[in-house]
Amino acid sequence: EDQVTQSPEALRLQEGESSSLNCSYTVSGLRGLFWYRQDPGKGPEFLFTLYSAGEEKEKERLKATLTKKESFLHITAPKPEDSATYLCAVARWGAGNMLTFGGGTRLMVKP
Amino acid sequence: DAMVIQNPRYQVTQFGKPVTLSCSQTLNHNVMYWYQQKSSQAPKLLFHYYDKDFNNEADTPDNFQSRRPNTSFCFLDIRSPGLGDAAMYLCATSSTGPTIGYTFGSGTRLTVV
Repeated sequence: EDQVTQSPEALRLQEGESSSLNCSYTVSGLRGLFWYRQDPGKGPEFLFTLYSAGEEKEKERLKATLTKKESFLHITAPKPEDSATYLCAVARWGAGNMLTFGGGTRLMVKP
Repeated sequence: DAMVIQNPRYQVTQFGKPVTLSCSQTLNHNVMYWYQQKSSQAPKLLFHYYDKDFNNEADTPDNFQSRRPNTSFCFLDIRSPGLGDAAMYLCATSSTGPTIGYTFGSGTRLTVV
């Protein structure tokens, strides 16, 4: 069974204090790993898809990396507007388009 | 802009009174999903449609039903809502190409009173 574990569950940062969110996964035949941002009361917003170990993607202050066991979402010099819940999900070959989600990391950035 | 639209954004229903949530898409994706998300939890897949083929998750309660009359629309019917069904309901779509692209709607927040 596919498993996705995100840590920490919650993270408080000061504005400008860089940090990383972790997503550990167990899946037989990774098709893709996805990062989403979710603001309170809204649907998840797509950030990145990573397909193979060693791959990295960047968008503004966010950088996602992937190994064979985990993914990191690095946040450089965060701003209060980066406060949100960040969700990680995996798709497995042979499972159609199904995603298995982690529990998310709730990020709060204080000014 | 192509998108996934859910209506209503907020729904209040009485205990045991049937309720329907709707989802429409302009992406022409052939797969549509319904997820249930409770506070501070991961989204949980209820069911999905691959074109007109309905796929129910094994642990989705019988109280939850779905209809997809055409490519653009999908409905979630809760026949007899209980207090435990209060949650955010998310609709998502995806294509079936080599790269998976999920697009989520903004969700419907269901309150059961």
